[in-house]
Amino acid sequence: AQSVSQHNHHVILSEAASLELGCNYSYGGTVNLFWYVQYPGQHLQLLLKYFSGDPLVKGIKGFEAEFIKSKFSFNLRKPSVQWSDTAEYFCAVSGPYGNNRLAFGKGNQVVVIP
Amino acid sequence: NAGVTQTPKFQVLKTGQSMTLQCAQDMNHNSMYWYRQDPGMGLRLIYYSASEGTTDKGEVPNGYNVSRLNKREFSLRLESAAPSQTSVYFCASRGLGGSRNYGYTFGSGTRLTVV
Repeated sequence: AQSVSQHNHHVILSEAASLELGCNYSYGGTVNLFWYVQYPGQHLQLLLKYFSGDPLVKGIKGFEAEFIKSKFSFNLRKPSVQWSDTAEYFCAVSGPYGNNRLAFGKGNQVVVIP
Repeated sequence: NAGVTQTPKFQVLKTGQSMTLQCAQDMNHNSMYWYRQDPGMGLRLIYYSASEGTTDKGEVPNGYNVSRLNKREFSLRLESAAPSQTSVYFCASRGLGGSRNYGYTFGSGTRLTVV
């Protein structure tokens, strides 16, 4: 079964700072990779996803993520955060076709100070 | 709007009471899932249903049962609620097909408190 690791559970930064959240997974096969965001009091929304092709994936709201297969990583980045990016961010991994399960990391709580 | 609908949104139970959380999706998705979200734990899979008529245990199935009533509906039942089941519960669904259809859609959650 796959597992997902996210480090630095709590991140505090100022507006306009750059954000990078790390995600590492353990699964030997082909994977599908996701980043979800959960704003306070809301449900999960998809930020971006990777299935195949260009390892640099661009998502909504200026977020991007890079898949590095050799490092089993899928790190999320945003060059300049805004106060409205205050949220919890979850990395998730699923195997293709035969594996239905979406495994989540424990999340990164990001607080952006105006 | 198409999506995943969960009811109720909030519930308070006494220890030992039972209840069923309802989930329905109108996207003709084959797979449905129940997760619980706890602070610092991320989302953990309770049960899932890969297709109508099948259900399987996830990471944390103890104390729960599920029913895939039809393709649209997937319910989660707590037979005898315990304080450890205080959590936010999310239902999700996913369509079948190639990788381009690997979109998981989440419901808005049920916040359950067991006292």
